[in-house]
Amino acid sequence: EAGVAQSPRYKIIEKRQSVAFWCNPISGHATLYWYQQILGQGPKLLIQFQNNGVVDDSQLPKDRFSAERLKGVDSTLKIQPAKLEDSAVYLCASSLLGGEQFFGPGTRLTVL
Amino acid sequence: DQQVKQNSPSLSVQEGRISILNCDYTNSMFDYFLWYKKYPAEGPTFLISISSIKDKNEDGRFTVFLNKSAKHLSLHIVPSQPGDSAVYFCAASTLSSGSARQLTFGSGTQLTVLP
Repeated sequence: EAGVAQSPRYKIIEKRQSVAFWCNPISGHATLYWYQQILGQGPKLLIQFQNNGVVDDSQLPKDRFSAERLKGVDSTLKIQPAKLEDSAVYLCASSLLGGEQFFGPGTRLTVL
Repeated sequence: DQQVKQNSPSLSVQEGRISILNCDYTNSMFDYFLWYKKYPAEGPTFLISISSIKDKNEDGRFTVFLNKSAKHLSLHIVPSQPGDSAVYFCAASTLSSGSARQLTFGSGTQLTVLP
């Protein structure tokens, strides 16, 4: 069974630029999560989707971050404009409803 | 406000000995607890979990203990192997709307098993 796919794996941008990350969850997983992991910290939930609806986006900085999950499958997370403090690993995870979360390898973002 | 805390950033253990990783939480609404293991350049992978109705769960070399009154859980690895060297994250869970679970992670403990 294929795991959670993410791209790109690495991205370097300058502050005030825009960036987008893509996630393809495990087939059949209704729930999709985006996490931000800053160096030395644990993953922090940014947004949670169930199918193509948002369950929780209370920790998403909505002035600059946006996410969508069209057709309830793939998802994209966008940052516009990026700040230095957005440097982190962005992890995508998926699960069956109420089930174990499976994580992708993450995208490491460096904002210069 | 850190609801899940792992106070030891690192731990070194000799191969064959026991590794004990600790985690404390503050939110009494958490009802399910998990440990994830993370290697460099990979996402976290699920290791073991425990429901709040239990105080112990064992899976091979890995045992998780839960002390609800102290809001404390620990992961025991016996015997420790060099391949166990990784960052271990404690996570606590509540049910969100629609029966989907949300995880709150600790900051992780880097375990190094010395040969």
